[in-house]
Amino acid sequence: GQQLNQSPQSMFIQEGEDVSMNCTSSSIFNTWLWYKQDPGEGPVLLIALYKAGELTSNGRLTAQFGITRKDSFLNISASIPSDVGIYFCARRRGDDMRFGAGTRLTVKP
Amino acid sequence: NAGVMQNPRHLVRRRGQEARLRCSPMKGHSHVYWYRQLPEEGLKFMVYLQKENIIDESGMPKERFSAEFPKEGPSILRIQQVVRGDSAAYFCASSPPFRFQTINSGANVLTFGAGSRLTVL
Repeated sequence: GQQLNQSPQSMFIQEGEDVSMNCTSSSIFNTWLWYKQDPGEGPVLLIALYKAGELTSNGRLTAQFGITRKDSFLNISASIPSDVGIYFCARRRGDDMRFGAGTRLTVKP
Repeated sequence: NAGVMQNPRHLVRRRGQEARLRCSPMKGHSHVYWYRQLPEEGLKFMVYLQKENIIDESGMPKERFSAEFPKEGPSILRIQQVVRGDSAAYFCASSPPFRFQTINSGANVLTFGAGSRLTVL
């Protein structure tokens, strides 16, 4: 019930392409977060979502909190080589924070 | 304001030795989380602590692993009698206490350290 299903597991795209990934759960949550992990580093917060239906942008990144509060997606437009990394969704219920398995993004120049 | 500090960044141990990983949370953060990341895998929750209290250790292996967050000093993740399967990156994250009145706030997110990479020979 508390497991997050993140997809796709990995993506290989050409520079300039748009990317879309999503996260679903069978439970309702108050907060959805998207993190990016560069190789050899810790995850860094990209976008935080707090309301059902909320759509938030951060540069070329756009994320939405699903209306049912059980899912979220992250879009990256016009990908560049430095977008390479692992993207994690995370959900928070109170102090409990859990992460999806990650989407590994490879961008070919 | 320094971020979450983890040390050592890299640790090599032989089978049977002990590994101690340290995490100093951000200033003002009272909550510490530990996650383990195996090669090519995601972040697996291990334990969540407040000062002097373990709140949730449901992700921690029952044997050989322990965590503490003393009143003074960093949080410590301790692995006794390490085995090859313990080789992984261990990430610490911290946050201030969750408060419902700041639910729509950047205060309710985790800030991660750079990780400690344990290699067991």
